Amino acid sequence: GQQLNQSPQSMFIQEGEDVSMNCTSSSIFNTWLWYKQEPGEGPVLLIALYKAGELTSNGRLTAQFGITRKDSFLNISASIPSDVGIYFCAGQPDMDSNYQLIWGAGTKLIIKP
Amino acid sequence: DGGITQSPKYLFRKEGQNVTLSCEQNLNHDAMYWYRQDPGQGLRLIYYSQIVNDFQKGDIAEGYSVSREKKESFPLTVTSAQKNPTAFYLCVSSLGLSLPQPQHFGDGTRLSIL
Repeated sequence: GQQLNQSPQSMFIQEGEDVSMNCTSSSIFNTWLWYKQEPGEGPVLLIALYKAGELTSNGRLTAQFGITRKDSFLNISASIPSDVGIYFCAGQPDMDSNYQLIWGAGTKLIIKP
Repeated sequence: DGGITQSPKYLFRKEGQNVTLSCEQNLNHDAMYWYRQDPGQGLRLIYYSQIVNDFQKGDIAEGYSVSREKKESFPLTVTSAQKNPTAFYLCVSSLGLSLPQPQHFGDGTRLSIL
């Protein structure tokens, strides 16, 4: 099946640093979604992107829908301890069936003490 | 408060046993989904349902079964045919199948083998 390549797998950062992660696909996507998951909980939607080139912010988070429609990135500025968690990208492929999201494997964010 | 509730939070299965994971929503959503999450992997779709009494297989339906007798409820049964059931299971609901629709996640059920 289709896959998303999400990188990096994990990040160790200092509090206050900026963070960047991205997802790429071999095929075109219509929608990109970014979620955050904390241990023992379901993912929570952070940002949704619906148009190529779209740049959307949610507080310290900014995400962009790549012009080629095959990639998306998420930036977190001035990271704080509560940013710790696993960040997932998910995308809707450009095909007839419009129900299915394809998920990346996640980026685990860890803040160095 | 409206929401989506999964139970139990932790579940243990013996060899050869079927177990059922509960998912209930009071959001009046038509569409419901079950995903499986394994460490280091993205979510994979098991089954989804667009409407009562209708459901479709996802990518990894083998060894699982579902029912949708009521709009609010979409239980998932992990059968003995599922040889590697240990995973985190997430139930999701949304207004409809078409994106963009906000997807509401439950808090998950962690299933382990005894």
